[in-house]
Amino acid sequence: LAKTTQPISMDSYEGQEVNITCSHNNIATNDYITWYQQFPSQGPRFIIQGYKTKVTNEVASLFIPADRKSSTLSLPRVSLSDTAVYYCLVGDQLYNTDKLIFGTGTRLQVFP
Amino acid sequence: DTAVSQTPKYLVTQMGNDKSIKCEQNLGHDTMYWYKQDSKKFLKIMFSYNNKELIINETVPNRFSPKSPDKAHLNLHINSLELGDSAVYFCASTLSERGGNSPLHFGNGTRLTVT
Repeated sequence: LAKTTQPISMDSYEGQEVNITCSHNNIATNDYITWYQQFPSQGPRFIIQGYKTKVTNEVASLFIPADRKSSTLSLPRVSLSDTAVYYCLVGDQLYNTDKLIFGTGTRLQVFP
Repeated sequence: DTAVSQTPKYLVTQMGNDKSIKCEQNLGHDTMYWYKQDSKKFLKIMFSYNNKELIINETVPNRFSPKSPDKAHLNLHINSLELGDSAVYFCASTLSERGGNSPLHFGNGTRLTVT
């Protein structure tokens, strides 16, 4: 059972870089790591996905160490609109229901 | 050009009633899901359909019955509604050809309130 652990909440100020770390000690060899963002009254939205090392897109970066037991979502220069809940998911999202559960996520609050 | 759309957005009803929530996706995906987000904000899988076939059926009361008329639609019918059914229900879809790690695309949810 690939279980993830994230901080419940984080605060930041506009313009700062925010790093949210997710622990997934039981990650399996074939598992990918996927991060979602959820705003109030909306469904989660895919942000980034990776398998190992570093992945970067126009929204965020994802850092994955060699042992893959954790991952860090990095949001550069956050703005007020980045205030949301961020979920880390590990594993097979198609058939393995034990990996289809979103945890509590990390509630990020960005202040002006 | 909404990718995953759910109707209605809000649903307020009384205990004992029967209600349906509809979901449609125009992404060409072949796998669709229903998730429930409770008051503590946990998102839990309820059902999953792949090409109109039920592939995941979590421990959900029999009062909940999903139906997939085609791979672009997944509806959820709930009989004899109870207070504990109050939650936000999200529909999601993905493309199974990309494998088990293909990202999920969610609708904006249906907030069900049972009084």
